[in-house]
Amino acid sequence: AQKVTQAQTEISVVEKEDVTLDCVYETRDTTYYLFWYKQPPSGELVFLIRRNSFDEQNEISGRYSWNFQKSTSSFNFTITASQVVDSAVYFCALSGYGNKLVFGAGTILRVKS
Amino acid sequence: NAGVTQTPKFRVLKTGQSMTLLCAQDMNHEYMYWYRQDPGMGLRLIHYSVGEGTTAKGEVPDGYNVSRLKKQNFLLGLESAAPSQTSVYFCASRGPGWETQYFGPGTRLLVL
Repeated sequence: AQKVTQAQTEISVVEKEDVTLDCVYETRDTTYYLFWYKQPPSGELVFLIRRNSFDEQNEISGRYSWNFQKSTSSFNFTITASQVVDSAVYFCALSGYGNKLVFGAGTILRVKS
Repeated sequence: NAGVTQTPKFRVLKTGQSMTLLCAQDMNHEYMYWYRQDPGMGLRLIHYSVGEGTTAKGEVPDGYNVSRLKKQNFLLGLESAAPSQTSVYFCASRGPGWETQYFGPGTRLLVL
């Protein structure tokens, strides 16, 4: 069975602080994809990144970066110099064979000014 | 190009009433999905479809039915609503292979 664990239920930071959201996954599939989605207060789900199981290169996009480590089954997400607009619920998700997404419970990020 | 749309945005039902949620996509995607989102539980898959005329059960299918008569539409039905079905419902679609799922804006359902 596949499983995604986001152990941090809620994180509060002050603007300009760096923050890392943890994601640990379990799967027996050798080929799989990992995703991060953002859900702002307006409620929609916004796709942020997709990473396949064969690509362990870290990725940086502006203030966002992702660290994929197969050895620890983790796919962590870091926001550098956080802003109030980053306040949202962030979901990590896994897709293996069968192409169904399994989501973590989500981490609520509150960025205070 | 509207992407994935959902109708209605919000609905209140009484226990025992029925309703249908409509999901439409204009990206010619084969795969479509229905999820429910509950506090502290992330999104859970209700039903999905791998093409027109096909449907399959997900993780939490009980109390729901679906139909995919047209490629662009995926309907989710509640035959006899229960308070436990109070939730936010999301539809998603994706292209072939390992493509990313793109989500609709959600439908907030309250069952009294």
